[in-house]
Amino acid sequence: KAGVTQTPRYLIKTRGQQVTLSCSPISGHRSVSWYQQTPGQGLQFLFEYFSETQRNKGNFPGRFSGRQFSNSRSEMNVSTLELGDSALYLCASSPRGYEQYFGPGTRLTVT
Amino acid sequence: AQKVTQAQTEISVVEKEDVTLDCVYETRDTTYYLFWYKQPPSGELVFLIRRNSFDEQNEISGRYSWNFQKSTSSFNFTITASQVVDSAVYFCALSFTGNQFYFGTGTSLTVIP
Repeated sequence: KAGVTQTPRYLIKTRGQQVTLSCSPISGHRSVSWYQQTPGQGLQFLFEYFSETQRNKGNFPGRFSGRQFSNSRSEMNVSTLELGDSALYLCASSPRGYEQYFGPGTRLTVT
Repeated sequence: AQKVTQAQTEISVVEKEDVTLDCVYETRDTTYYLFWYKQPPSGELVFLIRRNSFDEQNEISGRYSWNFQKSTSSFNFTITASQVVDSAVYFCALSFTGNQFYFGTGTSLTVIP
C-alpha cells in the first residue's frame, strides 16, 4: 500500500497570507490527524477527522481549520499567517482508533 | 491529565554502545496505548512499536527492545550495539481509543562513529 502523502513538501508564505496543506491517507484509512511540530513546542495535536467529521480538536486558534472529503483526503488551512506558524505540519492516518501512520510533512516557512 | 515525559533531551553515544531512552507517562485511564516513533532528519515519523495497557510483556525486535512497567508508568526503549543509522529523534506517545495522541518532547540520539 502507498503511504501517507502530503503536498506540498515545502512552502514559503508571507505574514498575513493564508495557506492550504493537503494530506492523502493510506487507502482504507478513514481517520486523519494533523500535528504541528516546532523546535520549541514539540509535536502538538491540531485536529482529527473521521468520516468527514472533526472528532477531536487541539488547543489552537480558530485560524487553523481543516476538512475531510468523502475519499478521506484532508486539507488543513491556516489563515492570516504569523511568523510563529512556521513549522513542520504532519498528517497521520489511522485504520483504527489507536495507531497512526505519518506522512513526510509539509515544512511551512512564514516570512 | 495525560502526559508523556522524555527527560533526556539529547544523548550521544559511540557506535556499538547500548543506549536506553526513557519514557514516563501519566494517565488515569485503564485502557491506553503506548508507542515509540523514530524521526530521522528527513522528518517523517516512523512507527516502531505499539503496546496496549494490558500487555506488559517486554518485546525484542533485532537490536531494539522495549520495557513496559505499569508500576512505574514507564515504557523505556533500548538500542543494543548502536549504529550511526540509529541517529534520529525518538518520540514516545500515549493514545486512547479516541485516537488523540500525546507525544513526549523527544530525545535526540546521536551515534558517533
